[in-house]
Amino acid sequence: RKEVEQDPGPFNVPEGATVAFNCTYSNSASQSFFWYRQDCRKEPKLLMSVYSSGNEDGRFTAQLNRASQYISLLIRDSKLSDSATYLCVVNIYNFNKFYFGSGTKLNVKP
Amino acid sequence: SQTIHQWPATLVQPVGSPLSLECTVEGTSNPNLYWYRQAAGRGLQLLFYSVGIGQISSEVPQNLSASRPQDRQFILSSKKLLLSDSGFYLCAWSVISPLREERGYTFGSGTRLTVV
Repeated sequence: RKEVEQDPGPFNVPEGATVAFNCTYSNSASQSFFWYRQDCRKEPKLLMSVYSSGNEDGRFTAQLNRASQYISLLIRDSKLSDSATYLCVVNIYNFNKFYFGSGTKLNVKP
Repeated sequence: SQTIHQWPATLVQPVGSPLSLECTVEGTSNPNLYWYRQAAGRGLQLLFYSVGIGQISSEVPQNLSASRPQDRQFILSSKKLLLSDSGFYLCAWSVISPLREERGYTFGSGTRLTVV
């Protein structure tokens, strides 16, 4: 079983739509959670950390559900520039490494 | 501020040739360093990670090796490249704060390797 699983998509949405991605993780010892964004042929870049109480950054809202072992990313008022692949990442401190999901592709259309 | 440098940006190498990719980090001390590979249309695969000079952990057995000769330098090597070594190679670093709070990875800009 993979450490982190994501729906690969693609999610095709019109501009202005609200879209949500989920990601599940298998190790209950996971302690840090992140969403990364990767543009085509570019390196992944940190979008936001995910905190236990949930957090918001502009149009982006991240949630963590430890009981069900999933994290989510909500994007409101989608922009064309939001088109990218979104990677879910979890970290277990003792292992000194991060586990990446394979990513969810988002296409925002005019 | 911390920066990470990775080069070259693109590389075309024949099968059987050697490989050396270098990654350096500035503005931080004792970072955890990582090498990832991303095949076309696929997710990130962790190849090696290092928590200190000379300390290398290998995640996937293959014909690649890694070395960390200095605190902020991480090198990925191969003696003989295979066609299957083609991919997007990413170096990354992370630091654990005194509060044990991970701040995520910062990636280098990557090297796109094509083995022909």
